[in-house]
Amino acid sequence: AQKVTQAQTEISVVEKEDVTLDCVYETRDTTYYLFWYKQPPSGELVFLIRRNSFDEQNEISGRYSWNFQKSTSSFNFTITASQVVDSAVYFCALFQRDTDKLIFGTGTRLQVFP
Amino acid sequence: SAVISQKPSRDICQRGTSLTIQCQVDSQVTMMFWYRQQPGQSLTLIATANQGSEATYESGFVIDKFPISRPNLTFSTLTVSNMSPEDSSIYLCSVVRDNYEQYFGPGTRLTVT
Repeated sequence: AQKVTQAQTEISVVEKEDVTLDCVYETRDTTYYLFWYKQPPSGELVFLIRRNSFDEQNEISGRYSWNFQKSTSSFNFTITASQVVDSAVYFCALFQRDTDKLIFGTGTRLQVFP
Repeated sequence: SAVISQKPSRDICQRGTSLTIQCQVDSQVTMMFWYRQQPGQSLTLIATANQGSEATYESGFVIDKFPISRPNLTFSTLTVSNMSPEDSSIYLCSVVRDNYEQYFGPGTRLTVT
C-alpha cells in the first residue's frame, strides 16, 4: 500500500525556535517522488520541494531544510528560526508515477507565536 | 512552475443548487486533477480530467454529483450538483508538469447553507 503519515497534528512554537515536521511514507515503488506543500490560512497550496527517491542528499533553501532517509522511509522538514509567517498547515505527499496521483498525508498545523 | 487560476474564489450557495468551478492553466497540460478539502482535513482526489475523454473518478465520487468537462488542454470545469452542507469544502484543481511537480490553483471555498 502507498501511504503517507504525518503523526504530528499540531505544533506550536515561539518565534525564532527551530521546528521539525515529520513525514513517514510507505511505497512498493523503487522510484518515487516526495513533496512538501505549505497551505497558509488563505487556502492556496504552495509547492515547497520535490525529492527523487534516488537522490538522498539533504537540501537547504534559506531557513528550510529537508532530511530524506530511505532507510527509515522518512522525509522530514525543518524550519530554522521560525517566523510568524511560517504559520500554516504543511502537507507531505508521495507521487505515484503510474497514475500521476499524489497521496497526501493528513497535514501538520504549525503555529508560530510572536 | 504553473500559473493556475480558479473561478470563483469563493461562494455561498443554497442547498439543492449547483455550482460550476472553472480552472484555467497558463500552458497546455495533459492531465488535470480536481481535489476536495473538507474543513480541517487533508486533500482528497475527486477525479482526473483528461482532454478528449471522460473523467476518471475516485472511489466515493460519481459523475452525476461531480460532472467534469475538459474541452481543451488548458481548461476544465467541475460542477458540484444538488449541493448539501456536507459539500462545503475547498475545491482545488491541479496539474502535473514533466518533472512530476504538481501545482495547485488557489482553490474555491464553497459554503453550502
